[in-house]
Amino acid sequence: QKEVEQNSGPLSVPEGAIASLNCTYSDRGSQSFFWYRQYSGKSPELIMFIYSNGDKEDGRFTAQLNKASQYVSLLIRDSQPSDSATYLCAVNKADTGGFKTIFGAGTRLFVKA
Amino acid sequence: GAGVSQSPSNKVTEKGKDVELRCDPISGHTALYWYRQSLGQGLEFLIYFQGNSAPDKSGLPSDRFSAERTGGSVSTLTIQRTQQEDSAVYLCASSARTGGFGETQYFGPGTRLLVL
Repeated sequence: QKEVEQNSGPLSVPEGAIASLNCTYSDRGSQSFFWYRQYSGKSPELIMFIYSNGDKEDGRFTAQLNKASQYVSLLIRDSQPSDSATYLCAVNKADTGGFKTIFGAGTRLFVKA
Repeated sequence: GAGVSQSPSNKVTEKGKDVELRCDPISGHTALYWYRQSLGQGLEFLIYFQGNSAPDKSGLPSDRFSAERTGGSVSTLTIQRTQQEDSAVYLCASSARTGGFGETQYFGPGTRLLVL
């Protein structure tokens, strides 16, 4: 079992719809959770992070965390073609001397105009 | 200020040669990370530095890979006796520190390595 699992997609949604991206993790000791967006041929960039159970909203993005189920999701409201990218879920867990970040393989999102 | 920079941006080498990849983190960032990303794949953790020390080297694929960081700043990733399976994009990231809460990693543009 991978430490961080994501559906590789592609996930295809029409413009204006809600895109729902999901991620599960295996280590209950994981402490913080991140969503990065990566456009084709570019480097990842942070969208948002969450570390408490519940929802965290930032503009059109909402991150949801359920530590009991070891599940974190990202909702994108009013999806735009410019949201088409690969979304990477990342998990921080304690490691020798600090924290270690484990990335999932990413979900490709395609927003149709 | 400047972001994370990496050099070279592209590197083509022959199998068996050694290569050195460089990362210059954001000034003042104490944590530095190396990842590898093969075509269409996710990020594979290689190593991270807190200051000049590397607490976790478990991600290095083999003993052909090594990394160092000097002066708490620039880091080099060295691959000896390159193999074709080493072909990938090597990404470097830095953060203010390694922390569990909201510690954003800022990524460099990557070095695209092709081993012929």
